[in-house]
Amino acid sequence: DSGVTQTPKHLITATGQRVTLRCSPRSGDLSVYWYQQSLDQGLQFLIQYYNGEERAKGNILERFSAQQFPDLHSELNLSSLELGDSALYFCASSVLQVPSTDTQYFGPGTRLTVL
Amino acid sequence: SQQGEEDPQALSIQEGENATMNCSYKTSINNLQWYRQNSGRGLVHLILIRSNEREKHSGRLRVTLDTSKKSSSLLITASRAADTASYFCATVPLAGSGAGSYQLTFGKGTKLSVIP
Repeated sequence: DSGVTQTPKHLITATGQRVTLRCSPRSGDLSVYWYQQSLDQGLQFLIQYYNGEERAKGNILERFSAQQFPDLHSELNLSSLELGDSALYFCASSVLQVPSTDTQYFGPGTRLTVL
Repeated sequence: SQQGEEDPQALSIQEGENATMNCSYKTSINNLQWYRQNSGRGLVHLILIRSNEREKHSGRLRVTLDTSKKSSSLLITASRAADTASYFCATVPLAGSGAGSYQLTFGKGTKLSVIP
């Protein structure tokens, strides 16, 4: 158990819908990352937050957005869902003190299926 | 975009044998990390090696890093059936995409099967 929690574990929805994925980082970790894992694209970085502020953006679609709240939990919002958005979505957290030794700990993921 | 490429894509060995997986990457890095993923579950961090280190050990794991060749290898000794999983290398770029950004760039992984 990494200490990172994600809910829900599974989500099945229809095209055009909007969903929210939730992540609670490990105690003491200020940085939260979101990754998407799909069969064709592999594991890809989406977005990073640090202590409530957006720190970096990766291959995140405009239909997707995220935020980190004062209690440090984070939510990833996916809207106007398409079939191709079906994937495993992971949240990771880290302390983010020294880049050369910073370790990201991953949650169990949310499996999103868009029908 | 994928930074790393693992080799081989799939590896099947007998229990007790050693398993070696290789990873190549494209840009200068801060560190390189190896993760394990069991069948669509979460990623488990195995080991981190910094760019100024050449070799690191953790239990039955041995990781090497050759920054001149932009490559790393993961050796699992005396493999067990429980080691069956996908193994990913991930790099943190030296420059990053902005100040304070340390996102991981993953390879496509090696699928290891250890036959009892």
